[in-house]
Amino acid sequence: AQKITQTQPGMFVQEKEAVTLDCTYDTSDQSYGLFWYKQPSSGEMIFLIYQGSYDEQNATEGRYSLNFQKARKSANLVISASQLGDSAMYFCAMREGNTGGFKTIFGAGTRLFVKA
Amino acid sequence: ETGVTQSPTHLIKTRGQQVTLRCSSQSGHNTVSWYQQALGQGPQFIFQYYREEENGRGNFPPRFSGLQFPNYSSELNVNALELDDSALYLCASSLLSLSDRVSEYFGPGTRLLVL
Repeated sequence: AQKITQTQPGMFVQEKEAVTLDCTYDTSDQSYGLFWYKQPSSGEMIFLIYQGSYDEQNATEGRYSLNFQKARKSANLVISASQLGDSAMYFCAMREGNTGGFKTIFGAGTRLFVKA
Repeated sequence: ETGVTQSPTHLIKTRGQQVTLRCSSQSGHNTVSWYQQALGQGPQFIFQYYREEENGRGNFPPRFSGLQFPNYSSELNVNALELDDSALYLCASSLLSLSDRVSEYFGPGTRLLVL
């Protein structure tokens, strides 16, 4: 069963506009972590933002914010004021487990294209 | 720069051969995870090592094995290579702690092509 679902294979956004990348997840754990990563064509995974399942406030990191709706099991990434350098693959991921061991499950990704 | 390095950057092997990929973790990190990322897909968790012991495994056959050394560097070994093993292999280091906020830092990956 798919645990992380990203329904948008590709997205276009105009430079300087905001864009929302969707992510829904499925878990029966009470404690989990949600991540967004950016992967440029070079291949390296770049950490963007983290949301813990017990965090009541939505996480923000600069131009990135995570719209966390726990009851709906969604963790959408909002990028404000898009820049040309934001063009990349974006992965939503969920970490399950605890200090005894964990694994990170990734979605299929959304490719973002920022237009000048 | 995450401080995580991987070698080699690219590798070409033939079916049936064996391969060893290497990862140097970020200083102070005691945990390393390995992922396989096929073209156009998200990374798939292979396994995790914590203090030189395997600490979790995904749905990969036993021909995928690993080692973690006292300096927390790590190896991924794949025996009897198959064409479907062609992928980007990513390692990620982290510091396992009591905190729930565990961030993984990824290396640049090794691109493996099996012919």
